Formats: sequence, C-alpha cells, structure tokens
Amino acid sequence: GQQLNQSPQSMFIQEGEDVSMNCTSSSIFNTWLWYKQDPGEGPVLLIALYKAGELTSNGRLTAQFGITRKDSFLNISASIPSDVGIYFCAGLEPGAQKLVFGQGTRLTINP
Amino acid sequence: KAGVTQTPRYLIKTRGQQVTLSCSPISGHRSVSWYQQTPGQGLQFLFEYFSETQRNKGNFPGRFSGRQFSNSRSEMNVSTLELGDSALYLCASRSPGTGKETQYFGPGTRLLVL
Repeated sequence: GQQLNQSPQSMFIQEGEDVSMNCTSSSIFNTWLWYKQDPGEGPVLLIALYKAGELTSNGRLTAQFGITRKDSFLNISASIPSDVGIYFCAGLEPGAQKLVFGQGTRLTINP
Repeated sequence: KAGVTQTPRYLIKTRGQQVTLSCSPISGHRSVSWYQQTPGQGLQFLFEYFSETQRNKGNFPGRFSGRQFSNSRSEMNVSTLELGDSALYLCASRSPGTGKETQYFGPGTRLLVL
C-alpha cells in the first residue's frame, strides 16, 4: 500500500535546539495528522490539519499543511528532554477511509 | 471523554496458542482500526471495523481476524501464534463523516510469543 516518505528517520540534537521534520506524498491529502509515541505506549495526537496552507501550533510545536496538499512539516522549538520519542505523520486521501502513516522520526536529545 | 482503552496491556503466549485482544473506542466513535507495530516494520495496518462490518483490511494472513460489537467495542484474534507475532498491537478509534477526520490511539497491548 501507499506510504508517506517521512524524513529524517532519526535526529540527534542538543537540548534547546529547534527540530524540523516533514512528510511527503505522491498523492494529495485532505488531512494531515502528527503523532508522538513514547516507548511502549500508543501514539498521541499532537496536531491535526485539514486545509492547504493551514499553520497550527500546539505549545512549542507548529505544523503546516503544504499548499500542494502533498506535504506537511512539524517543527519543535527549544527542545526539552521530554520531547524524546518517535514522531509519526499520517495522511488521508480525499474519499479514502484509511489513514496512511509515515515510517516515523526518532528524536534523541543530548542534555 | 475517556480515551481509547485496550486490554490486556501485556500478554505472554507460546507458539501455537491463540490470543484475543480487546479495544473500547472513545464514546460515540464507530470506527475501530487495528495496527501491528514492530521495531523493524513500523505501524502496519491490520483492519478497520465500522458499524460491526470490516471496512478495510491490510496484508496479513487469515490467522489475524477481528470483529466489532454493537456497542463499537472491538476484538482481534490471532490464532496459531508464531514468534514473529510478538509486537505492540494498537487500536485506534475515530468518528468518520465529521469532515475533520481524527484518529486516536489506545495504549496498546504488548504481546510476547515464546
């Protein structure tokens, strides 16, 4: 089945740095969702986007729905140790019923 | 509202056994999806149920099955367990048709097959 191309696969940063990750698709989507997963737990929804060009923030997190409707990015500003985890993007094509997930970005923070 | 709940949280089985996992969606959500997550394969879609009917199915063998009850609670069953079935099994619920699709995950059931 279709998968989203999520990059980077992993990131190693210093505490306090900003983080940026993105997802791209060959198809247009009408929904983009961003999740964070801690070890051994289920993914937690961070931000949901429904409109091309939409820019939405959740605390230090900001996500945007690309204007081409084929991409989305997630930024984390001033990273802190609890930001460690795996971040997933997910998208929904128009008329589709099943979400498509990226492979995840593993974020590691050096204190 | 209470979130998605899954039981049990942890399970140990041996090869050849079968297992049943349970998921209760968020109140009012009629769609339940199941995923298998392993370190090497990421999130793999198993199937989705909506109003007691399987609506979508992933590429898993017939040993993996599921069902949904009239109260939207769902179960998945894995028969004749294999070592490779060891994984975190995630359930997610959403309320389709709202125009703003959002899917929420439960905490998962970690299955270890020995």
